[in-house]
Order: sequence, then C-alpha cells, then structure tokens
Amino acid sequence: GAGVSQSPSNKVTEKGKDVELRCDPISGHTALYWYRQSLGQGLEFLIYFQGNSAPDKSGLPSDRFSAERTGGSVSTLTIQRTQQEDSAVYLCASSFHSGGRTDTQYFGPGTRLTVL
Amino acid sequence: GNSVTQMEGPVTLSEEAFLTINCTYTATGYPSLFWYVQYPGEGLQLLLKATKADDKGSNKGFEATYRKETTSFHLEKGSVQVSDSAVYFCARVNTDKLIFGTGTRLQVFP
Repeated sequence: GAGVSQSPSNKVTEKGKDVELRCDPISGHTALYWYRQSLGQGLEFLIYFQGNSAPDKSGLPSDRFSAERTGGSVSTLTIQRTQQEDSAVYLCASSFHSGGRTDTQYFGPGTRLTVL
Repeated sequence: GNSVTQMEGPVTLSEEAFLTINCTYTATGYPSLFWYVQYPGEGLQLLLKATKADDKGSNKGFEATYRKETTSFHLEKGSVQVSDSAVYFCARVNTDKLIFGTGTRLQVFP
C-alpha cells in the first residue's frame, strides 16, 4: 500500500515568513510523529499524535512551532516567523498503535526547508 | 538518561568486507531497538528491529543482536556491497518516540 507522504518536498522561504508542512500517514495508522533532521542536531523528535490529540509536544523547540491533526489522518506542522536555524529536513512518521513498545514507525521522504 | 551512542563515521570499506557499526544505549528497562538506513537522496527506512533481550533482528544480510548485558545493538554484515553505501541510524523507543544516534555513514568501494 501507499507509504507516508509529505508535501512539499522542498520549501524555500524568507526569514520571518510562516510555512506549513503537510503529512499524510499510512491509512489505518493511529499514531503520527514529526521529527527534524539537521546537520547540527541530528534527528530530533518534535511532536506525537494519537488520533487528533497530541499527548507529547515536548520536542517543539519554541512557541513558533505548532501542529495539528484532523480526522485522525492528515497532519500539518506550522512554523511561524521562520528563522534561519529552522532550516532542516522535517520528517513525518506513522505507526499502527501508539505507545506500543514494539511498533515500527514508518517514515515519509521529508520536507527540506530552507530559510533564507 | 535515555540516549543512543553510535560509532563515528565515515566507515570506508571495500566490497565484500565485513561490517560492524557499534551502537550502545542507556535506558531503564528493555526498550525496543531499531536500525534505520538512509540511502542517498531517500528517506529513512527500517532495516531491522529487536523487541526483547537476546532477540536477533535481520534483513538484507544485516544482523543485530539485542545484548542487555552490554546494552548494545551492534549492526553487522558479513559481506558488504557498493549498494549498501548509506547512513545508518541506531534508535531506541522512549515511551512514544524514537531516540536516534547521530548516524554512521558507510562508504563501500568496488
């Protein structure tokens, strides 16, 4: 079946602008995760959704970052007033269950964000 | 704490050489452990996993054994190919999220 999809694949924006990144998880997966991959910080967890609620937002780096999920499916990560340090690849993953210690997270191809 | 430590790269090998990429973790309890691979220009793919002590995960000729005594999950392959060139990430589950190592770049030359 279809894997996790993300859009856009690349986004170039100017400092101070807002951006929205989209994730479509694998159908039937109840858990959805956002991570960030950057040269300086490696792979970092941002936020986790179970259904439409986000029980763990501990990785969001500032209040400029927010995310929502609707219909237990699509999720949008929004970054307001982008800064150059926000430049990174933003990865989305989904898994069948949440909090399951054996569950495998399946990753999308990522959105490469460049803030000029 | 909860962390994952991987050996620094890059690892440079000739085709058919033996590969080991070391990974150790810290945790309370016995978290599930994973190896993910990122081929050039592609996203993260699950390579293998192990969910309890002494489990061995295997896929595409790669193996890793969950060693609770040494808190390790080293990745091994008996004979690497040029097509194995990629970045390899060790990871552990921490409640609801994955904690990743810094990644190890493998370069295999013919």
